Amino acid sequence: SAVISQKPSRDICQRGTSLTIQCQVDSQVTMMFWYRQQPGQSLTLIATANQGSEATYESGFVIDKFPISRPNLTFSTLTVSNMSPEDSSIYLCSVPLASTDTQYFGPGTRLTVL
Amino acid sequence: KQEVTQIPAALSVPEGENLVLNCSFTDSAIYNLQWFRQDPGKGLTSLLLIQSSQREQTSGRLNASLDKSSGRSTLYIAASQPGDSATYLCAVRPWGNNRLAFGKGNQVVVIP
Repeated sequence: SAVISQKPSRDICQRGTSLTIQCQVDSQVTMMFWYRQQPGQSLTLIATANQGSEATYESGFVIDKFPISRPNLTFSTLTVSNMSPEDSSIYLCSVPLASTDTQYFGPGTRLTVL
Repeated sequence: KQEVTQIPAALSVPEGENLVLNCSFTDSAIYNLQWFRQDPGKGLTSLLLIQSSQREQTSGRLNASLDKSSGRSTLYIAASQPGDSATYLCAVRPWGNNRLAFGKGNQVVVIP
């Protein structure tokens, strides 16, 4: 299995500010994914974080709003920029383990924007 | 585009009853299907993974079946306990990438 940690676990932010979420994995992985879960909804993929190249964003998500860094094979950050109350969600990172085909998720970052 | 539906959206059962949670998906060309558990405000815990070539997987009181041709999976939880109260999410992985498509979940409450 993979052990994934995220920081912060939760935050309350003011409209117009930015928050950077960190994701740390206990082993080297090629791909890391960032998901968003809005209240009462299921998970939606934001982007795939690739080491050494630009992140790949899903339809409806743009780099200016959700810049992603992937400096090495165990770490990634997601920034939620110029936040509005609609950004209030749980943000989760995940990694697939090739050896088992299983996808593992971090504990999530619960963001509330006032 | 893959659509994943989970029925029922919410259910309450008395302790000791068996739970049956349903997941359906529109595109049967899947690589695997994974069931997760999510506690309120928390991340996801992987419960069972079924490869497209498999019909079922078991772990303790949990059993998940897969009928790929009809686009269905069922998660059975035997002899439910209050600690089973959580939301159960079904996710489908397509061939060729790791981008999961999720259902909205089955929210379960087990009443002591």
